[in-house]
Amino acid sequence: DQQVKQNSPSLSVQEGRISILNCDYTNSMFDYFLWYKKYPAEGPTFLISISSIKDKNEDGRFTVFLNKSAKHLSLHIVPSQPGDSAVYFCAASVLYGGATNKLIFGTGTLLAVQP
Amino acid sequence: SAVISQKPSRDICQRGTSLTIQCQVDSQVTMMFWYRQQPGQSLTLIATANQGSEATYESGFVIDKFPISRPNLTFSTLTVSNMSPEDSSIYLCSVGDSVGGTQYFGPGTRLLVL
Repeated sequence: DQQVKQNSPSLSVQEGRISILNCDYTNSMFDYFLWYKKYPAEGPTFLISISSIKDKNEDGRFTVFLNKSAKHLSLHIVPSQPGDSAVYFCAASVLYGGATNKLIFGTGTLLAVQP
Repeated sequence: SAVISQKPSRDICQRGTSLTIQCQVDSQVTMMFWYRQQPGQSLTLIATANQGSEATYESGFVIDKFPISRPNLTFSTLTVSNMSPEDSSIYLCSVGDSVGGTQYFGPGTRLLVL
């Protein structure tokens, strides 16, 4: 049962243009959503998150949009840079055991930004 | 965010042997987690490492196969026991933030079992 889905395994974008990465989820109990970036041979790096009570959060070139009715979120990167080329994971957080937040990850989208 | 290191960074092991992976954090943290990323797959939570008590395992993962220690608030180990080629994965530790479930990850341990 894949509760967090990223249906696009890869995305190619020209430098300077917008990158849009999408994520769908099934569990309405998720309370936070997060995006991570992962380079080969490194651990995932936290990028940006959004609470389930908001519909938008912005941090520099990165903006995350949440559509709760559609159970859909997206990450916008603008302008895209070649250094953004990496695998991007969407994750959802759910309170777990009363005190700990558990993360459930999507399968990732490989973003390639072409110079 | 905390600085997290893992040892070893990579290893090649023979089937039937065991490997212990260490995770060290530069500050005291309450919540530590162990994940596995199999080739071409997403990250899957193995267990939550609780200081002073037994780890909490996810469905499909058992203590006999993946024993975990958490002796203090800055250190944890994960052992992959009686390894088979199916255990070839990247193993990652992470630490939790109290806000929104944000977790910060170590660099990972790349394990190949022959």
